[in-house]
Amino acid sequence: TQLLEQSPQFLSIQEGENLTVYCNSSSVFSSLQWYRQEPGEGPVLLVTVVTGGEVKKLKRLTFQFGDARKDSSLHITAAQPGDTGLYLCAGVGNNDMRFGAGTRLTVKP
Amino acid sequence: ETGVTQSPTHLIKTRGQQVTLRCSSQSGHNTVSWYQQALGQGPQFIFQYYREEENGRGNFPPRFSGLQFPNYSSELNVNALELDDSALYLCASSLGDSRLLYGYTFGSGTRLTVV
Repeated sequence: TQLLEQSPQFLSIQEGENLTVYCNSSSVFSSLQWYRQEPGEGPVLLVTVVTGGEVKKLKRLTFQFGDARKDSSLHITAAQPGDTGLYLCAGVGNNDMRFGAGTRLTVKP
Repeated sequence: ETGVTQSPTHLIKTRGQQVTLRCSSQSGHNTVSWYQQALGQGPQFIFQYYREEENGRGNFPPRFSGLQFPNYSSELNVNALELDDSALYLCASSLGDSRLLYGYTFGSGTRLTVV
């Protein structure tokens, strides 16, 4: 059972297009983190958001945290084939971290 | 040495057997978490250890157990293996509450196949 719902589950786009991935939860977490996972590897942290309404930018990636600290989005501008991977949002609690099911992104050249 | 190391990388077991997976935490990290990731799914939280004590557990049966050692390395033990236990098992380490901001460092996982 996933506490965090991610959408879409799959996304296939052409190089240069923009995209947004959503992460929604009925729970409030101490922080929310986004990870990227490539085949055969463990997830790698992209960003942490803590404050409601927070916006963080990482090159072509923009992360937003909802005012109520229950939802988040990841926007990628001008996607590149190197962005291909599984994008996971994760809610960090007192003694655990729970993941969403992930969005599998494919960027075609 | 930095990073999280897991062993073995791949493993094939028969239904009903027992398995032990191992994890060496990133240097300086005192918290270890284990996750099960089925094909095409997000990682599912199994449990977390902080300074050798289990301090958090997900929705997994008691046949999933663990240990954390004084050097903060860790083991995941699974008894009475079932076919549905086939998955990638991920270990992640962090340093106390710094995980809230700096996240977890993951190993590359152990691919377990139960036949």
